[in-house]
Amino acid sequence: AQTVTQSQPEMSVQEAETVTLSCTYDTSESDYYLFWYKQPPSRQMILVIRQEAYKQQNATENRFSVNFQKAAKSFSLKISDSQLGDAAMYFCALNNAGNMLTFGGGTRLMVKP
Amino acid sequence: EAGVVQSPRYKIIEKKQPVAFWCNPISGHNTLYWYRQNLGQGPELLIRYENEEAVDDSQLPKDRFSAERLKGVDSTLKIQPAELGDSAVYLCASSFGQGGSYGYTFGSGTRLTVV
Repeated sequence: AQTVTQSQPEMSVQEAETVTLSCTYDTSESDYYLFWYKQPPSRQMILVIRQEAYKQQNATENRFSVNFQKAAKSFSLKISDSQLGDAAMYFCALNNAGNMLTFGGGTRLMVKP
Repeated sequence: EAGVVQSPRYKIIEKKQPVAFWCNPISGHNTLYWYRQNLGQGPELLIRYENEEAVDDSQLPKDRFSAERLKGVDSTLKIQPAELGDSAVYLCASSFGQGGSYGYTFGSGTRLTVV
C-alpha cells in the first residue's frame, strides 16, 4: 500500500514572499512519480509540478519548485513570489508505476495582500 | 481541446433517492477514474477503467454504487439509494495509459448534497 501525508492543514504567506508546503510519502516501489496539484474553489485539480523518482534533479516550473529527498521520502513544494491567485488547496500525490494516484489530505494556502 | 467534462456541476437530492453523474474524458485517454472527495480531504479512488473494463473497483461500495463505461469513452456513476454520508464531490479524471509522469487530467467534479 502507498500513503501520502501532508502535516500542514493550513499555511499562510504574505504576497511576494516564499512559502514551503510539506509532504511525506511511503511506498515499497522504486519506480514512481510525485505530483503537486492545486485545487481552487472551482474544484478542478490543476497539475502544478511533477517529479520522476529516478531523477535526482529537483523539478522547477517558473515560481514553483520542489525539494525531493528520496531517502527520507519527502517531497516539499516551494512557491516563490507568492501571488493572490496562488491561494487554493494544494495536494501532494503519488503514482506508482502500475498503480493509481494516491493523494494526501491537502494544505490550504492563504495569501495575504 | 476540451478537458474532462462532468455533469451536473451540483446536485441536491433527498436520502434514499437515486442519482447519476456523467463524465466525458479527454479524447484518446483510455483510462478513466472516479474519485470521491469528502469535505476538507484529499480525493479517494472509487473505480478505475481501462477502456471499457473496470480493473480496480475495490473501493466502490457495491451495495449502492455502480458504474459503467460503455464503448470505452463516456462513463456514468450511479448511487441508489443515496445516504447522507454520500455527500461529497465526485471527481472524474482520465489519462493515457496509467498516467505515468503526466499524471491525470481532472474534471471540475459534481458536488452532491444529500438531505
